[in-house]
Amino acid sequence: GAVVSQHPSWVICKSGTSVKIECRSLDFQATTMFWYRQFPKQSLMLMATSNEGSKATYEQGVEKDKFLINHASLTLSTLTVTSAHPEDSSFYICSAAGLQETQYFGPGTRLLVL
Amino acid sequence: GENVEQHPSTLSVQEGDSAVIKCTYSDSASNYFPWYKQELGKRPQLIIDIRSNVGEKKDQRIAVTLNKTAKHFSLHITETQPEDSAVYFCAATPYNQGGKLIFGQGTELSVKP
Repeated sequence: GAVVSQHPSWVICKSGTSVKIECRSLDFQATTMFWYRQFPKQSLMLMATSNEGSKATYEQGVEKDKFLINHASLTLSTLTVTSAHPEDSSFYICSAAGLQETQYFGPGTRLLVL
Repeated sequence: GENVEQHPSTLSVQEGDSAVIKCTYSDSASNYFPWYKQELGKRPQLIIDIRSNVGEKKDQRIAVTLNKTAKHFSLHITETQPEDSAVYFCAATPYNQGGKLIFGQGTELSVKP
């Protein structure tokens, strides 16, 4: 149980385009999902907390207009990187909170902006 | 806000030896402390967790200890095996902040056969 999927796993795009990443909890309902960013050989940096049916809570320094988060259902949250630039290239990972705050992570999405 | 420090950043042990990774946290109200294992290019996997009302928890070769007074917690892996090689992250959940996790910097564990 507690499986989280993420799509796509890889995306390469041109600078200036927008990219949408989906995060789904497959076998449980998650009222809260989280989005992280991870650079090579570094830790996971929390970007935002996504609550079903309400606005996301962004961490300090994360541009909410740049990283649009939507959590329209109990099993789906999306992250849209708008007007992507090379510095947005990274590994984006979502997690979904199950019972008792345990977070289960998706497999991640590698974004490369050319 | 919460800050989590993790040491060491790299750890190399011989197969069969024990490995210990330590973390400190700053927010005394934090109440949940998970440990994740991340293999290269893969998702973090929860390996063990502990809550603030418990001092120690064990699951086969893995154990976690928590010292609330000192605000530190540790991961202990006994009888290490080459497949234990990975990056390990500790994390803390600040109280009443929506369940978000604040991660330590990570420890790259290498178990040599």
